[in-house]
Amino acid sequence: KAGVTQTPRYLIKTRGQQVTLSCSPISGHRSVSWYQQTPGQGLQFLFEYFSETQRNKGNFPGRFSGRQFSNSRSEMNVSTLELGDSALYLCASTTTATGIYNEQFFGPGTRLTVL
Amino acid sequence: SQQGEEDPQALSIQEGENATMNCSYKTSINNLQWYRQNSGRGLVHLILIRSNEREKHSGRLRVTLDTSKKSSSLLITASRAADTASYFCATREDGTSYGKLTFGQGTILTVHP
Repeated sequence: KAGVTQTPRYLIKTRGQQVTLSCSPISGHRSVSWYQQTPGQGLQFLFEYFSETQRNKGNFPGRFSGRQFSNSRSEMNVSTLELGDSALYLCASTTTATGIYNEQFFGPGTRLTVL
Repeated sequence: SQQGEEDPQALSIQEGENATMNCSYKTSINNLQWYRQNSGRGLVHLILIRSNEREKHSGRLRVTLDTSKKSSSLLITASRAADTASYFCATREDGTSYGKLTFGQGTILTVHP
């Protein structure tokens, strides 16, 4: 099975712009989660989507949003970029078919730099 | 916010030695997972231990979980230079959905050949 893929891998934007990141989960996985990783704050949960519905949301401002499509692919959007949004954005997928003990499979991440 | 602390923050050892990393968390959990990350890349899942398990093995990895102390440890035996990476524990808290993990700050492991 192909792993979780994320595009683009690297992105450079300027303050005030917006950005859209894409994630394709492992085939058959319906839950997709997004995380932000920074040196100062570490790995922080952004949100989770399941069957096109946001199921959980972390403590991030409304500038961060996401969506999931019927094929389970997910996008996240950050509007009005700030310097502090520079981070590695990681997407993870998990199956919900095997009960409540589910490992998450992570993609390689998108490195976003805001200038 | 982070679930808890990982200890030590950095660990430097020689090839062949064992490496032990500890993780503490704050809330009641469903399971605890360990991940490895190489140089700012994606996370690789290493092992999952359920809240009703006390110890689990996978190859050179041994994980323990003490829910009364809210702590876990990861032991890597006979380490190799290729084990050099950051290691994170992550917990799924009771009552939360499958896709939400709370991560520790991580331990940077350096294995010298």
